[in-house]
Amino acid sequence: QVQLQESGPGLVKPSETLSLTCTVSDVSISTYYWSWIRQPPGKGLEWIGYIFYSGSTKYNPSLKSRLTISIDTPKNQFSLRLNSVTAADTAVYYCARLYYFGSGSHDFDLWGQGTLVTVSS
Amino acid sequence: QSALTQPASVSGSPGQSITISCTGTSSDVGSYNFVSWYQHHPGKAPQLIIYEGTERPSGVSHRFSGSKSGNTASLTISGLQAEDEADYSCCSYAGSSTWVFGGGTRLTVL
Repeated sequence: QVQLQESGPGLVKPSETLSLTCTVSDVSISTYYWSWIRQPPGKGLEWIGYIFYSGSTKYNPSLKSRLTISIDTPKNQFSLRLNSVTAADTAVYYCARLYYFGSGSHDFDLWGQGTLVTVSS
Repeated sequence: QSALTQPASVSGSPGQSITISCTGTSSDVGSYNFVSWYQHHPGKAPQLIIYEGTERPSGVSHRFSGSKSGNTASLTISGLQAEDEADYSCCSYAGSSTWVFGGGTRLTVL
């Protein structure tokens, strides 16, 4: 059964860098698109960006200047780095698979359980 | 990119049907038949329940159905069960390989 698991610090200081890793089990990461999504407390989900195994990426324009998503195919992991964080970046961060169902549609068909990252001094 | 608009909460009794709306714009929901819906029980991984507006992934109950009219997509849950109590979020493709989500709706089964 395919599983995704987020890992990383739960507390980050303002102006520092938020770093998370998603470990994918039971499927090769070298096949699909992989995405990060977050949910601030009391708010809706926000798409952050995706990466393909080739390394090609696409980012949410609102985060693009601070964001890097990378992939490590031997470790079957992909990662998120968000620079210059503020309290507004406090959220549950999810990793997810972006799956092509055909007919042009890509959807987030598998998700990790999420990890809470709090930005605070 | 503005978030899609969903009602904050809906409720229904067991056996009833409820509908959750998801309103976007002509740049997202109105332009593409690529609306998806996710069920989220607190502390668990969100689950895809509808994709391409009306399609159900394998294993998802037939009680979940989706539709779209203009800039508004809808999720209908029929025969409400206690286990359906969860948060539901819509998502639309927004062009240029970007996606936008709704604010989420809390479903309470009375």
